[in-house]
Amino acid sequence: NFMLTQPHSVSESPGKTVTISCTRSSGSIASNYVQWYQQRPGSSPTTVIYEDNQRPSGVPDRFSGSIDSSSNSASLTISGLKTEDEADYYCQSYDSSNQDWVFGGGTKLTVL
Amino acid sequence: QVQLQESGPGLVKPSQTLSLTCTVSGGSISSGSYYWSWIRQPAGKGLEWIGRIYTSGSTNYNPSLKSRVTISVDTSKNQFSLKLSSVTAADTAVYYCAGAYSSGWCDYWGQGTLVTVSS
Repeated sequence: NFMLTQPHSVSESPGKTVTISCTRSSGSIASNYVQWYQQRPGSSPTTVIYEDNQRPSGVPDRFSGSIDSSSNSASLTISGLKTEDEADYYCQSYDSSNQDWVFGGGTKLTVL
Repeated sequence: QVQLQESGPGLVKPSQTLSLTCTVSGGSISSGSYYWSWIRQPAGKGLEWIGRIYTSGSTNYNPSLKSRVTISVDTSKNQFSLKLSSVTAADTAVYYCAGAYSSGWCDYWGQGTLVTVSS
């Protein structure tokens, strides 16, 4: 299986923009959809981006997703940061060679 | 609105089998094209995919757990289940059930249940 590598932590101030990366170790990032989940302490994960760049209903448009084939990575961008965005964020994708799902290690976002 | 709820023992002895059930409400487990999945999270760590079952009954398992995992579905009860054998302390985690699409998108999640492996 490939691995998805995320930064362990990022921090930014309220109102600013932050980008969290998710780099695929082998195979093309564009070959399978990437999802992004937000997990607050003590809660189940919830989807903020699915299928690379789609937002579920109810997720504000401050959240956006993208794919960059040149760096073989996906990115989650959160603009106009709010303190409520402070959480762990996980990327996830699918390995079509063996039908396995893969999660990134997670990134802790601190809004200070 | 589909809802998922995990149930099962919160404490399992080492070498025994961990058994959990996920009850699906608000929709039929047989309808649609969902992959019914299990995911776990040790305390303070990330998410780990365990495996999934399709409505047809076909399964896929994480290679690192495959020899110990069985996922099954009971359509009459609108439930699917996880069995993990020969558990050790390393299997202590919050276990989530989830409903996902073929793209891997887990749209529905249970609240999670903590399973501790200890004698």
